[in-house]
Amino acid sequence: QSALAQPASVSGSPGQSIAISCTGSSSDVGGFDHVCWYQQEPGKAPKLMIYDVSNRPSGVSNRFSGSKSGNTASLTISGLQAEDEADYYCSSFTDRNTDVFGSGTKVTVL
Amino acid sequence: QVQLVQSGAEVKKPGASVKLSCKAFGYTFTNYAIHWVRQAPGQGLEWMGWLNTGNGNINYSQKFQGRLTITRDTSASTAYMELSSLRTEDTAVFYCGRRNGRNLDYWGQGTLVSVSS
Repeated sequence: QSALAQPASVSGSPGQSIAISCTGSSSDVGGFDHVCWYQQEPGKAPKLMIYDVSNRPSGVSNRFSGSKSGNTASLTISGLQAEDEADYYCSSFTDRNTDVFGSGTKVTVL
Repeated sequence: QVQLVQSGAEVKKPGASVKLSCKAFGYTFTNYAIHWVRQAPGQGLEWMGWLNTGNGNINYSQKFQGRLTITRDTSASTAYMELSSLRTEDTAVFYCGRRNGRNLDYWGQGTLVSVSS
């Protein structure tokens, strides 16, 4: 199973909105509403930010939102803040009853 | 509170095996699956496999089939991940994660495995 495709990096100025894409296939992203997004800061374990495409766990800022169209899911960060600088990974359930992660995107706040 | 506590760092030689543990606290261990994820230095997350802690069923990534064994001890609320025939490129941080629905809502702190001759 190949990694889901994400842009290597995305950047924005404080206050702006950015979007990160996550492209898979009908066997994963397109076939199930089980796309998650994780935030990972250097040296730390990943943190769940979005689950089941667009749901936020308790405690996650409403500046984070998720969506999906076809085989591509997206994470949008609104009102970008310095603390949002991190690596972001999507993941999806697959038709083999496995999971697959995206290649990861480094978010830089200019 | 929910916590996953992983075993300490390991140093292994090529060809050896390593067995890591992931102990669960703060919830009923058998109610949630455990997943294992690998992250090589400077690289992304890589899904390895998952264990149904209730019935013991497992599913591995094809990439690790034949080298990976995931087990559990329900009496100790602990999951284990054993990787055999280690290569230098297996040097990585290994994470366990608790599956809630189809997401990993709690993660262990990670265990660094270094493979070097």
